[in-house]
Amino acid sequence: DTAVSQTPKYLVTQMGNDKSIKCEQNLGHDTMYWYKQDSKKFLKIMFSYNNKELIINETVPNRFSPKSPDKAHLNLHINSLELGDSAVYFCASSPRGSYGYTFGSGTRLTVV
Amino acid sequence: GENVEQHPSTLSVQEGDSAVIKCTYSDSASNYFPWYKQELGKRPQLIIDIRSNVGEKKDQRIAVTLNKTAKHFSLHITETQPEDSAVYFCAASSNSGYALNFGKGTSLLVTP
Repeated sequence: DTAVSQTPKYLVTQMGNDKSIKCEQNLGHDTMYWYKQDSKKFLKIMFSYNNKELIINETVPNRFSPKSPDKAHLNLHINSLELGDSAVYFCASSPRGSYGYTFGSGTRLTVV
Repeated sequence: GENVEQHPSTLSVQEGDSAVIKCTYSDSASNYFPWYKQELGKRPQLIIDIRSNVGEKKDQRIAVTLNKTAKHFSLHITETQPEDSAVYFCAASSNSGYALNFGKGTSLLVTP
């Protein structure tokens, strides 16, 4: 059983489109995250949710909207995709707060 | 937000040698410092972590040291093997307690 699963694994789309990435964890963790890893491998926090509540919303464009229907799921919807959105997006979860992250396998988003 | 500096950005060692990666952080409220290994095309995986009430921790060939006064921590890998080749990230817990801030990564290459 995959602990943190993301879908899709690859996403190629045109500029201006809207797309969603889904994340589910079966670890019973309370906290979930979205990170963006750019071409230089830098991992930057985008959002953090604890028990479905938004805790951290870094300086991310409004085109990115996270949704957590329950504490096992954290989805990311992106409107009006731009070339600069191309990156690998990682979902992660942890039992509580910052401790013991488990990452998903990542979604490689390519905007053309 | 928290600033985590990591050096060097690339490191090449011969098999059997030791490798040391250093990180500094800015927020004195940070109390958890994990290290992640990311192989090409894979997810980051936790290899070792240390909390602020501990100065050193060892797990087989890997050790981490923490100097809270100086706000720096280091990863030491002894008897390196080619399979240690990967990108290594240090991280520090944020002052919110609900995210990790990552360093920019060190690309380690171990040559036979």
